[in-house]
Amino acid sequence: GAGVSQTPSNKVTEKGKYVELRCDPISGHTALYWYRQSLGQGPEFLIYFQGTGAADDSGLPNDRFFAVRPEGSVSTLKIQRTERGDSAVYLCASGSFVNSPLHFGNGTRLTVT
Amino acid sequence: AQSVTQLDSQVPVFEEAPVELRCNYSSSVSVYLFWYVQYPNQGLQLLLKYLSGSTLVKGINGFEAEFNKSQTSFHLRKPSVHISDTAEYFCAVTRIFNAGGTSYGKLTFGQGTILTVHP
Repeated sequence: GAGVSQTPSNKVTEKGKYVELRCDPISGHTALYWYRQSLGQGPEFLIYFQGTGAADDSGLPNDRFFAVRPEGSVSTLKIQRTERGDSAVYLCASGSFVNSPLHFGNGTRLTVT
Repeated sequence: AQSVTQLDSQVPVFEEAPVELRCNYSSSVSVYLFWYVQYPNQGLQLLLKYLSGSTLVKGINGFEAEFNKSQTSFHLRKPSVHISDTAEYFCAVTRIFNAGGTSYGKLTFGQGTILTVHP
């Protein structure tokens, strides 16, 4: 039984570039979350998908951030015109129903130089 | 809005000693409470959760936590720690939201407490 898979595990990019971060949730999990964890901080909510639709994107910091989940399984977090302040670990989590434990991936460490 | 405060950023302790990691939360509505653990280079794992019922909750690896509504606290305890418990621990709360007919939880995390167990 595979867990939540995130790729790449590490991504280094230059300021101003575009990046995509991928999340493969546990098979059958309809709920998918993205969180961002900055150094020395707890994870912060970015966006929640129920199925294919983004039910809550209130945590996205600005319009440079966008996420999709076109077939209700794999999700991609997209960041345009990256800034040094975007450097963080981006975590993905999936769950099967309300109040079920969330299963987190190991995260993608993004470094913007 | 909810907020979570973990009162200690780092807790050093010797092996086999008891430990308590403190967590206080603030919320205007009822919340559910969680403790997650993050081992080096691994994802967050659920230690335990409080949804309702008994205020003393037992989790994995011998950890337990007590929900205290009057003090808005959810402290994590273990009577005897092992070297392998060295990790970062996160307290989190969630309330149930509704959007488009869907109910879901949205975790708010504390800043984390690094537990270091020394031999």
